[in-house]
Amino acid sequence: QVQLQESGPGLVKPSQTLSLTCTVSGGSISSGFYFWSWVRQPAGKGLECIGRINTSGSIHYNPSLKSRVTISVDTSKNHFSLKLSSVTAADTAVYYCAREWVVWGQGTTVIVSS
Amino acid sequence: QTVVTQEPSLTVSPGGTVTLTCASSTGAVTSGYYPNWFQQKPGQAPRALIYNTDNKLSWTPARFSGSLLGGKAALTLSGVQPEDEAEYYCLLYYGGVGVFGGGTKLTVL
Repeated sequence: QVQLQESGPGLVKPSQTLSLTCTVSGGSISSGFYFWSWVRQPAGKGLECIGRINTSGSIHYNPSLKSRVTISVDTSKNHFSLKLSSVTAADTAVYYCAREWVVWGQGTTVIVSS
Repeated sequence: QTVVTQEPSLTVSPGGTVTLTCASSTGAVTSGYYPNWFQQKPGQAPRALIYNTDNKLSWTPARFSGSLLGGKAALTLSGVQPEDEAEYYCLLYYGGVGVFGGGTKLTVL
């Protein structure tokens, strides 16, 4: 049974780059034709799709974040990653990774603060 | 910017029926938007309930159903249980990009 686990710094300074990794266990990130996604949720607010990628190289980014976001897949490490540059306090949120919206990680909280 | 709109809140009595809707700022929602529905309880990750308009996951209770209704995507709960109290989100696809609705807080009272 596939499980996902987000990891990365819980505190990032303003203007720096937020970097998170989603490690896939219980299965290969390369198997199947799945999209692997990043979603975030500020405290007390709704969900926001950041972007999604598959192992064939197809990537879709939220237009409002596109200029600051990079999502990549590393099949050798069985994980995929998120980089969000030039962060501000508005990027403070719980960040989730997901496979095809069916399998979700537990989420990791990232706070942007000096 | 594309906006997906849901009712902010709804209240239903136990055993009752309620329909949550999901509208698109671009016009009528069709199956081509591949509507998905999620349930989220406090402190938990979202849980998928419905995909591609009306398809259930293996864990989706039979009382949940998805459809298209009056130009919107809809999630109907028939025979609501107390444990259905939660936030519900829809997701629509626009050219490969998923956009979530603002969520509906469902209160069972």
